[in-house]
Amino acid sequence: EVQLVESGGGLVQPGGSLRLSCAASGFTFSSYWMYWVRQAPGKGLVWVSRIKSDASSTSYADSVEGRFIISRDNAENSLFLQMDSLRAEDTAVYYCAREERVAAAGGGSYYYMDVWGKGTTVTVSS
Amino acid sequence: DIQMTQSPFSLSASVGDRVTITCRASQRISTYLNWYQQKPGKAPKVLIYAASSLQRGVPSRFSGSGSGTDFTLTISSLQPEDIATYYCQQSYTMPRTFGQGTKLEIK
Repeated sequence: EVQLVESGGGLVQPGGSLRLSCAASGFTFSSYWMYWVRQAPGKGLVWVSRIKSDASSTSYADSVEGRFIISRDNAENSLFLQMDSLRAEDTAVYYCAREERVAAAGGGSYYYMDVWGKGTTVTVSS
Repeated sequence: DIQMTQSPFSLSASVGDRVTITCRASQRISTYLNWYQQKPGKAPKVLIYAASSLQRGVPSRFSGSGSGTDFTLTISSLQPEDIATYYCQQSYTMPRTFGQGTKLEIK
């Protein structure tokens, strides 16, 4: 069964750090680009970060650039999000997701998040 | 960043109704548009990718259309299990922005 399982969430004080993990199983993890997406309480989905399949390229939302670092261990089928200098506005459920790519007619590819974990909750509060 | 705007914010409909949700991009994105369904307390699930391609396992009552800046998600006959929040998302460029969501309720 294709599965993603997040862990590492919890309560942390403003300015603190947390490291999220996402364990992948049931597919060739090293072949896929991976995402972190978050959802604040009662709010919508927000893309946080993306990492290329071989970890050679990363991208971040402006709101977390310089504070969060995405990484992966393909040998351990794991994705990580190191979160530093946490703020109250980082409070959210954090999901990891797999990016599927489908060839488009005429060249290029379509991208979508086809497998999601159940999420892990991060609360930043004093 | 490309802004994605959905309408309506919320929608109440009866079982069996045809339901349409719209999504507008702030710039042209060809057909790089995905639709997700999120039930309360659950992770999102992709319904439609590339504007109109139905993801495997998704019921055929769901369909998507559009190109450029204007897109629609249609449920041909609303079922009780379709109660959820629906999000569009562009995959034309980074960052992968989502719409604000449309909450669908049963009347």
